Amino acid sequence: EADIYQTPRYLVIGTGKKITLECSQTMGHDKMYWYQQDPGMELHLIHYSYGVNSTEKGDLSSESTVSRIRTEHFPLTLESARPSHTSQYLCASSGGRNFGQGARETQYFGPGTRLLVL
Amino acid sequence: AQTVTQSQPEMSVQEAETVTLSCTYDTSESDYYLFWYKQPPSRQMILVIRQEAYKQQNATENRFSVNFQKAAKSFSLKISDSQLGDAAMYFCASFGNEKLTFGTGTRLTIIP
Repeated sequence: EADIYQTPRYLVIGTGKKITLECSQTMGHDKMYWYQQDPGMELHLIHYSYGVNSTEKGDLSSESTVSRIRTEHFPLTLESARPSHTSQYLCASSGGRNFGQGARETQYFGPGTRLLVL
Repeated sequence: AQTVTQSQPEMSVQEAETVTLSCTYDTSESDYYLFWYKQPPSRQMILVIRQEAYKQQNATENRFSVNFQKAAKSFSLKISDSQLGDAAMYFCASFGNEKLTFGTGTRLTIIP
């Protein structure tokens, strides 16, 4: 399995709290991604980054924000959690320009964070 | 825009038998990649196999192989000698124009 880590793995929190989901990778990948996945359902891209100081919104609108200050770190923040944010959040990374064709485009996933907002 | 369709929400197979999971896709990209990912219950999403669209030869990884029909835009996954550890959700995905698009998944059950 790939060297990409997410913490916490599970989080139960009350409405209105600020939360940060952590994601780190040790593979030297340029590109990083956040997906949202409801149980047993498909993944939806909510944020991505092509490198340091680069962040973009994905296909699914999300109230969360992200930052990319270091290559290996891509945290996701919710300023005020709501029950509608309850879901699983998956972080992924892929090679970027220093990797060969094929490897560049292959995304590797972290274990995910299951978030429950009460 | 890309779309990925998995028409089998659930499949089951006897242990040691062979099963094929279906996937069709649509893309306007000339350069793209196709993937199968496996997500066991409450566990990490892992890459099963990758196919470069420019390659005619079907990709193979041990017991996993694909049938890539480019003209038909079909990308099925064959699992041979099914094992209990193969039980999982399987997602087909297409990468093009810097985006990875997933299908809705097929839940595979292995019958002992």
